[in-house]
Amino acid sequence: GESVGLHLPTLSVQEGDNSIINCAYSNSASDYFIWYKQESGKGPQFIIDIRSNMDKRQGQRVTVLLNKTVKHLSLQIAATQPGDSAVYFCAENIKGGSYIPTFGRGTSLIVHP
Amino acid sequence: DGGITQSPKYLFRKEGQNVTLSCEQNLNHDAMYWYRQDPGQGLRLIYYSQIVNDFQKGDIAEGYSVSREKKESFPLTVTSAQKNPTAFYLCASTRDRERTEAFFGQGTRLTVV
Repeated sequence: GESVGLHLPTLSVQEGDNSIINCAYSNSASDYFIWYKQESGKGPQFIIDIRSNMDKRQGQRVTVLLNKTVKHLSLQIAATQPGDSAVYFCAENIKGGSYIPTFGRGTSLIVHP
Repeated sequence: DGGITQSPKYLFRKEGQNVTLSCEQNLNHDAMYWYRQDPGQGLRLIYYSQIVNDFQKGDIAEGYSVSREKKESFPLTVTSAQKNPTAFYLCASTRDRERTEAFFGQGTRLTVV
């Protein structure tokens, strides 16, 4: 299968624990951020987004926090399940006339039953 | 069902050959993108197109070419000038050039033999 996760930063958790995945973004002009989940051998899928006029946004079992001062995002997953095992990417949409999704390196989340 | 379809899922190419990867969307999205993914790395932008008959180079366009003759279609050609083409290629689309999430295809894994 996909070997993307072998060299990525990895977070290992036990089923039922809460997971926190961090991301630093590069461009202070970015004003829209998205977290994606990529399962092995598949394309990324949208999880949750946040605009720069917000500090926090909650979804189902997921919360995204945005700290613009230090250009940092985090994704919190509550009660992590084995099905959450995947690579997680944060993406910033950089405004330069139009918004181009720009991706970070990704974090591999491994959930142990 | 609306979505993005990439084909083929697996592609093998001999050195010196050009190959074309297909990407079709029925989401009526204006913007389309091609990314390359290597192990341990994030998604790197190859080319993008925000309207029909117009496209722009991304960060790693050398050795690739694209066309956007129809709104639904954004094929990527990997030419013999691309020195290390073995990778996982992902096509994505966004509704428009503003702050919107990207929808991805399932990817094409290209291997040079």
